[in-house]
Amino acid sequence: AQSVTQLGSHVSVSEGALVLLRCNYSSSVPPYLFWYVQYPNQGLQLLLKYTSAATLVKGINGFEAEFKKSETSFHLTKPSAHMSDAAEYFCAVRGNQGGKLIFGQGTELSVKP
Amino acid sequence: GAGVSQSPRYKVTKRGQDVALRCDPISGHVSLYWYRQALGQGPEFLTYFNYEAQQDKSGLPNDRFSAERPEGSISTLTIQRTEQRDSAMYRCASSLELGGPDTFGSGTRLTVV
Repeated sequence: AQSVTQLGSHVSVSEGALVLLRCNYSSSVPPYLFWYVQYPNQGLQLLLKYTSAATLVKGINGFEAEFKKSETSFHLTKPSAHMSDAAEYFCAVRGNQGGKLIFGQGTELSVKP
Repeated sequence: GAGVSQSPRYKVTKRGQDVALRCDPISGHVSLYWYRQALGQGPEFLTYFNYEAQQDKSGLPNDRFSAERPEGSISTLTIQRTEQRDSAMYRCASSLELGGPDTFGSGTRLTVV
């Protein structure tokens, strides 16, 4: 069975500081991994995806994530936070045969001026 | 269309009534997914289709929930004899190919009173 754990339901950083949002997954098959962002009252927007082509994945808005098989992790980072990054972030996993996405509980990112 | 369209955007219904939620995916997208999202939680899988075939309905909570996609395009999620616990955001997503990534609609906020 597949599962996703996001460590920390709330993360607060200062503007300009490093953003690190943690995600660990469990999968019996090589997974597809995703990060989505959800702004208030909006739908989910894809930030980036891992599909085994490269372990370091670059996404939109300056975000990137590194797939570490030995640690079963797919943490999301951004070198310098902007106020506009304040949102909820979801990590998700899918088996390589397609099918449903399994989401983590989400991490709410706050950015302080 | 340009994105995944869901209607209605908001639905308030009385307990015991039936509701039908509509999803119009991106044209040509093979896979269509339904998720339910409670406040402060990640989306939870309900069911999905490849073309018109329902591939997995393991996430449907009980037999009051059903979904169809008769022509492999528009899908309808129907909830019969609604209960207050059905209140949630219902999200639809579509993808061009197995493995995604998925494009999400803005969702239908269902409130059962």
